[in-house]
Amino acid sequence: QVQLQESGPGLVKPSETLSLTCTVSGGSIGSYYWNWIRQPPGKGLEWIGYISYSGSTHLNPSLKSRVTISTDTSKSQFSLKLTSVTAADTAVYYCGRSSGTYYDYWGQGILVTVSS
Amino acid sequence: DIQMTQSPSSVSASVGDRVTIICRASHTISSWLAWYQQKPGKAPKLLIYGASGLQSGVPSRFSGSGSGTDFTLTISNLQPEDFATYFCQQGNSFPLTFGGGTKVEIK
Repeated sequence: QVQLQESGPGLVKPSETLSLTCTVSGGSIGSYYWNWIRQPPGKGLEWIGYISYSGSTHLNPSLKSRVTISTDTSKSQFSLKLTSVTAADTAVYYCGRSSGTYYDYWGQGILVTVSS
Repeated sequence: DIQMTQSPSSVSASVGDRVTIICRASHTISSWLAWYQQKPGKAPKLLIYGASGLQSGVPSRFSGSGSGTDFTLTISNLQPEDFATYFCQQGNSFPLTFGGGTKVEIK
């Protein structure tokens, strides 16, 4: 059974960089697409981007200038960096697996609050 | 970006009822549509993919239909564990986008 687990700080100051890691267990990170999705409190879901099994990335244009997604296959992890955060970036951040189109496995989510 | 519009935003229903949720895409997406169920404090769970394909392990009372721009999720014989929020998601083109959600509440 594939499991994903997000980790990282739950509080980030405005203008700083949000950094999260997703650890994958029970399956190979060397296939599929590995995504970050976020959900502001009480709101809908927003796809941030993915990194593929080959290492290529595809990012949401609305966030592209601030987002980096990378992978460490030796640790079965992939990571998100979001720079210059504001209060609008406060959200539950999920990592998820997809075949490119639909998300079949999700992490439990991590709430990241942007506040001084 | 393709906009996904769900209706209604909330619906009140009783155990045993049949509930239908509509999702409309701003551009044609063929059958590239998924439905997810989300309970409070939990991650979304994939129910339906390819507009009508039932994800493994999902009860058969969930069904999806539609193509092009108009899609429906139907829950037959609503069970207590089905009270949740449901989202649609288009997989036709990037950026992948979600509907705003439909909350199914107990009447």
